Amino acid sequence: DQQVKQNSPSLSVQEGRISILNCDYTNSMFDYFLWYKKYPAEGPTFLISISSIKDKNEDGRFTVFLNKSAKHLSLHIVPSQPGDSAVYFCAATYNFNKFYFGSGTKLNVKP
Amino acid sequence: DARVTQTPRHKVTEMGQEVTMRCQPILGHNTVFWYRQTMMQGLELLAYFRNRAPLDDSGMPKDRFSAEMPDATLATLKIQPSEPRDSAVYFCASGDTGRVTEAFFGQGTRLTVV
Repeated sequence: DQQVKQNSPSLSVQEGRISILNCDYTNSMFDYFLWYKKYPAEGPTFLISISSIKDKNEDGRFTVFLNKSAKHLSLHIVPSQPGDSAVYFCAATYNFNKFYFGSGTKLNVKP
Repeated sequence: DARVTQTPRHKVTEMGQEVTMRCQPILGHNTVFWYRQTMMQGLELLAYFRNRAPLDDSGMPKDRFSAEMPDATLATLKIQPSEPRDSAVYFCASGDTGRVTEAFFGQGTRLTVV
């Protein structure tokens, strides 16, 4: 039973436009959420995170939004760049016990 | 440059053989995770350790998989006997519970069982 779900396996966006990646979770105990970015043949690398006490966290072109009532978070990339093309995983944890990952969304930013 | 180091990077083995994957966590990190990446499931948590003690290995097939931390600088994941369905990329990650933050991943071991 996956506690973190990414229902879109892929997303294609034009360079300069906004990319929106979505993630849903089922466990209300989660108190910290993260996005990881993964290039082929490399391990996932941390991108941005948000605590459950917040509803928005911004870092440059990346913004993560958290809607606790809907158990939904999203990652916005504005403007999207070709170098952003990668697989994006969302993850959730509580008390830093386990990280539960979604199945990933492959983003393709077209020049 | 602190990083998680995994060896080997690639492993091809025959069905029935034993496979051992190794991980060197970032020095000072007290939590180590083993994940498996498959096309269908994404990143599955297999096991994790805190202060070298196994906290949860419920994601691991117990009959053939085993995970250990002989010391603070080495974590191992062993499959015996290996099966073709074990073919995947296995990632190790480490973290520091002193601050709630991300887990740092190694580059993975790509395992192919033929």
